[in-house]
Amino acid sequence: KNEVEQSPQNLTAQEGEFITINCSYSVGISALHWLQQHPGGGIVSLFMLSSGKKKHGRLIATINIQEKHSSLHITASHPRDSAVYICAVSGGATNKLIFGTGTLLAVQP
Amino acid sequence: EAQVTQNPRYLITVTGKKLTVTCSQNMNHEYMSWYRQDPGLGLRQIYYSMNVEVTDKGDVPEGYKVSRKEKRNFPLILESPSPNQTSLYFCATKYRGEWYEQYFGPGTRLTVT
Repeated sequence: KNEVEQSPQNLTAQEGEFITINCSYSVGISALHWLQQHPGGGIVSLFMLSSGKKKHGRLIATINIQEKHSSLHITASHPRDSAVYICAVSGGATNKLIFGTGTLLAVQP
Repeated sequence: EAQVTQNPRYLITVTGKKLTVTCSQNMNHEYMSWYRQDPGLGLRQIYYSMNVEVTDKGDVPEGYKVSRKEKRNFPLILESPSPNQTSLYFCATKYRGEWYEQYFGPGTRLTVT
């Protein structure tokens, strides 16, 4: 079993829909990261959080440390949100990131 | 502008021909790391460096070498590439410490035939 599990693996939505991507982890962590990867593009860090909730524009990330679970929400989704969203956790002296396998999101106009 | 650069961005090579992928950052970050990304497996760490002259193995170091002679550069060396090293490679950098996010380079797509 992977240490970081994401669901769903693939997600298709219509423009304007509210989207939720989930991440569960089984290891102790210092922080959880949400990353975005556009097709053929690089990887951008969206959020780094260790508790509670963070919001940036239409994106909201939450984490429940007790349940070892995080969600990434996208409100009023747009085709430009189409990308792979990757959950990763970090902790320990090595600064190592452990990644989920990603969620491929396609937002159709 | 703060950035992480990788070169080359695309490379097609043949089995056994030594190659180096360069990674350079201008943010004075202590920590640098190499990852490979494969379908269905996600990103996996190859090697990392906590500072100059300090490197250590990640999860999949076999077939790779690294060096960290300068703070800004962290090249990835494939001494004898094999087809199973065909992958998308990312360099990432950050300040050392748990509460800093990683900055990723643009990626290098390597094909070994």
